[in-house]
Amino acid sequence: GDSVTQMEGPVTLSEEAFLTINCTYTATGYPSLFWYVQYPGEGLQLLLKATKADDKGSNKGFEATYRKETTSFHLEKGSVQVSDSAVYFCALSDSGANSKLTFGKGITLSVRP
Amino acid sequence: GAGVSQSPSNKVTEKGKDVELRCDPISGHTALYWYRQSLGQGLEFLIYFQGNSAPDKSGLPSDRFSAERTGGSVSTLTIQRTQQEDSAVYLCASSFGGTGELFFGEGSRLTVL
Repeated sequence: GDSVTQMEGPVTLSEEAFLTINCTYTATGYPSLFWYVQYPGEGLQLLLKATKADDKGSNKGFEATYRKETTSFHLEKGSVQVSDSAVYFCALSDSGANSKLTFGKGITLSVRP
Repeated sequence: GAGVSQSPSNKVTEKGKDVELRCDPISGHTALYWYRQSLGQGLEFLIYFQGNSAPDKSGLPSDRFSAERTGGSVSTLTIQRTQQEDSAVYLCASSFGGTGELFFGEGSRLTVL
């Protein structure tokens, strides 16, 4: 079945550091890929998405590129801020009529001033 | 309201009791999902409703778990004879069609003593 693997956490960075959070997936079809974010005390919300190979999703300075050849969707940001401290989840939606999302385990990012 | 609403936000119960968790999705959203978030386990898919189609129950962990969606809107997740391992945050989400963009509620935290 479909699965998503995220790098182990937690991750702690200093403000303005470069961020990479790795995500790889296994899927039988041509999934859409997502990053969701959960800020402290808030519900999950969509951060960015990509629906086909080589697409780049971007939002709030974050980017991720859909790499079919490496089955990856790594999240990057050039300069993190304290306000980026949150839990980040990679997810996929298969291409069938059932669009439920399969999530990775999530990774906690802490950014210190 | 504008977002997905879940109640109760917190529930403490004794082992063996039944609990009901409620979800009120965003008006007009045709799809409704239940996930479970446990520490270190990420988001576990439970059940998915899409319009008038039969629900996808493939994620329900045992027959103690059931869910219904009345009138294509409000959903109730019922856990019978609760066990300590049922302790988790139960998240509801809704979406419009098959876009893969889910809108999450803030969850119901269940603690089974």
